[in-house]
Amino acid sequence: EDQVTQSPEALRLQEGESSSLNCSYTVSGLRGLFWYRQDPGKGPEFLFTLYSAGEEKEKERLKATLTKKESFLHITAPKPEDSATYLCAVQAIYSNSGYALNFGKGTSLLVTP
Amino acid sequence: GAVVSQHPSWVICKSGTSVKIECRSLDFQATTMFWYRQFPKQSLMLMATSNEGSKATYEQGVEKDKFLINHASLTLSTLTVTSAHPEDSSFYICSARDDRGNQPQHFGDGTRLSIL
Repeated sequence: EDQVTQSPEALRLQEGESSSLNCSYTVSGLRGLFWYRQDPGKGPEFLFTLYSAGEEKEKERLKATLTKKESFLHITAPKPEDSATYLCAVQAIYSNSGYALNFGKGTSLLVTP
Repeated sequence: GAVVSQHPSWVICKSGTSVKIECRSLDFQATTMFWYRQFPKQSLMLMATSNEGSKATYEQGVEKDKFLINHASLTLSTLTVTSAHPEDSSFYICSARDDRGNQPQHFGDGTRLSIL
């Protein structure tokens, strides 16, 4: 069974204090690994898709990396507006649910001034 | 950018009422849409896959007679929670997959359903 585990569950950072969020996964053939940002009471907002081990993607203060077992979301010099829940999801090649996403529970990030 | 509109954003109703939630892709066609449910502090759980022109595919444990899905056009899917009860209270979120492929799924802003 496909599994996605995110850690830590919650993270509190001072503004400017860089850190990384982890997403460990097991999947029967990875089609893609996705990172989304979710603000309270809102739907997930797309950040990155990674397809193969060694791939990296960057956007402003965020950088996502992928290995065969896990993905990291690195946050460099975060700002308070980066506070949100970050969700990791996998899409499996061999899935009864087609292109549906299997989500982790998320990491709740709070960045204080 | 791609936008998915979900309506209504908040519903409060009495037990036994049926509630319809709409999910629209505004600037792309989506043969496939997905309905998720999210409890507080929990992950998004897939309920069903909605396919335009055919029956929806439900995940194990999701009652198809309880959660009716209609995907009548390439831009609209609806989820109807029939005879809703307090245990159906949750945050329902839809997503749409762009038919052009190689695109990420885009999500609506969710519907907060509260059954009294």
